[in-house]
Amino acid sequence: AQSVTQLDSQVPVFEEAPVELRCNYSSSVSVYLFWYVQYPNQGLQLLLKYLSGSTLVKGINGFEAEFNKSQTSFHLRKPSVHISDTAEYFCAVSLSGGYNKLIFGAGTRLAVHP
Amino acid sequence: DVKVTQSSRYLVKRTGEKVFLECVQDMDHENMFWYRQDPGLGLRLIYFSYDVKMKEKGDIPEGYSVSREKKERFSLILESASTNQTSMYLCASSLSGGIIRGEQYFGPGTRLTVT
Repeated sequence: AQSVTQLDSQVPVFEEAPVELRCNYSSSVSVYLFWYVQYPNQGLQLLLKYLSGSTLVKGINGFEAEFNKSQTSFHLRKPSVHISDTAEYFCAVSLSGGYNKLIFGAGTRLAVHP
Repeated sequence: DVKVTQSSRYLVKRTGEKVFLECVQDMDHENMFWYRQDPGLGLRLIYFSYDVKMKEKGDIPEGYSVSREKKERFSLILESASTNQTSMYLCASSLSGGIIRGEQYFGPGTRLTVT
């Protein structure tokens, strides 16, 4: 069965510093991987996705993620964060088969401090 | 822009009440989903629907039912609300046709408190 582990529940960081949010998955089959962001009092919004091809994926708001099949990881990075990046970030893996179901990690709360 | 709306942002109900959470999407999506979001647990799938009147159980369906009478509307029903159903409930929709087309779009959520 597929599962997703987000290794950090909270990540505090100062403004303009780089950040990495870690995500590992387990699956016996090929997967599709996603990062979603949830700003306070809002629903989830897609940041980026890996479906196939280049292992470095660029998303919105300057975020990028690298798919590493050998390490079963899909870590999210940003070289310089802003206060407005304060949010909760969710890594997700799609189930093989139909209906596009997703399995989510527990989430990482990113707190950017001035 | 895809719009997924949920009938209430905040809801307070008493134990034993029947609760209806409504979700509407305006992009003619075939698939609709109900998730529950709890701190430290992420999002867990309750039910999903891939067509009108069709539904499938997710990972935590116990205590919930769903209804999809029209393509744009997907309702989550708590037959007899209990305090352990206090949570944030998120609705999502997506096109069918495989993961390439199947990005899920989320509503703003309904924070339900059962007292």
